[in-house]
Amino acid sequence: DAKTTQPNSMESNEEEPVHLPCNHSTISGTDYIHWYRQLPSQGPEYVIHGLTSNVNNRMASLAIAEDRKSSTLILHRATLRDAAVYYCILRDPLARSGNTPLVFGKGTRLSVIA
Amino acid sequence: NAGVTQTPKFRILKIGQSMTLQCAQDMNHNYMYWYRQDPGMGLKLIYYSVGAGITDKGEVPNGYNVSRSTTEDFPLRLELAAPSQTSVYFCASSYVAFRGPGELFFGEGSRLTVL
Repeated sequence: DAKTTQPNSMESNEEEPVHLPCNHSTISGTDYIHWYRQLPSQGPEYVIHGLTSNVNNRMASLAIAEDRKSSTLILHRATLRDAAVYYCILRDPLARSGNTPLVFGKGTRLSVIA
Repeated sequence: NAGVTQTPKFRILKIGQSMTLQCAQDMNHNYMYWYRQDPGMGLKLIYYSVGAGITDKGEVPNGYNVSRSTTEDFPLRLELAAPSQTSVYFCASSYVAFRGPGELFFGEGSRLTVL
C-alpha cells in the first residue's frame, strides 16, 4: 500500500494561503506524488501531481522536498469552496504490474473559516 | 462528454439480496476502478480493470464481482448483500496507467444501504 502520512484536519482563514503537508518516507525513485480532493458529497477530483520538481497549475502548487520524503500542497488563497478532504497518494510500489491503481488514505480534512 | 456515469445514485437492499451497480464512461479510457467509502473514511479499492476482458482485485474484493466486456462499461455486482456493504461506491476511470502521471475521473457515487 501507499505509505503517506497526513494530518487528520487543518483549518484556514478565507483568502489566506494553506500549506497541506504529506510525509512519504518510503517513496521509491519512480513513484509519482498525486493529490486529489473530495468536496462534500462528491467523488474525488484531481488536483495536481509531481515527481521531483515543484509543480504549479490553476488550482494549486506542489512543493516536493529535495529528498522526496515529503511534499506540500499549497493553496494560494483559500476560499470556502476549498473546504474538502485532501488526499496525498503515491503509486503502489509493491504492485505486481505497472498498471497499479491509486490507493487512498484518510486524507486531511480542510476547514475554511470566513 | 458525460464523463463517468453511475447508476443508481441511491439504493436500499435487504440482507441477502443481490444487485448490480452500473458504471459507464464515454472518454475512451482503458482503465476503470471501483472504490467504496465508509463514513469518515478514505476510499478503498474493490476491483479494477486495465482493459476490456481484464480485471483484478483491489484491497476489499470479497462479496463483489466485476466484469469488463466493453471499454465503456464496468458493472459491480453485489451477491448476497450484507450490512457491512453499506457504503458509498465510486467508479472511476483513467486514460493511462499509473506508472506515471494519470488523472482519475470519478463518478458522483452510488449510496447503498443494506438493512
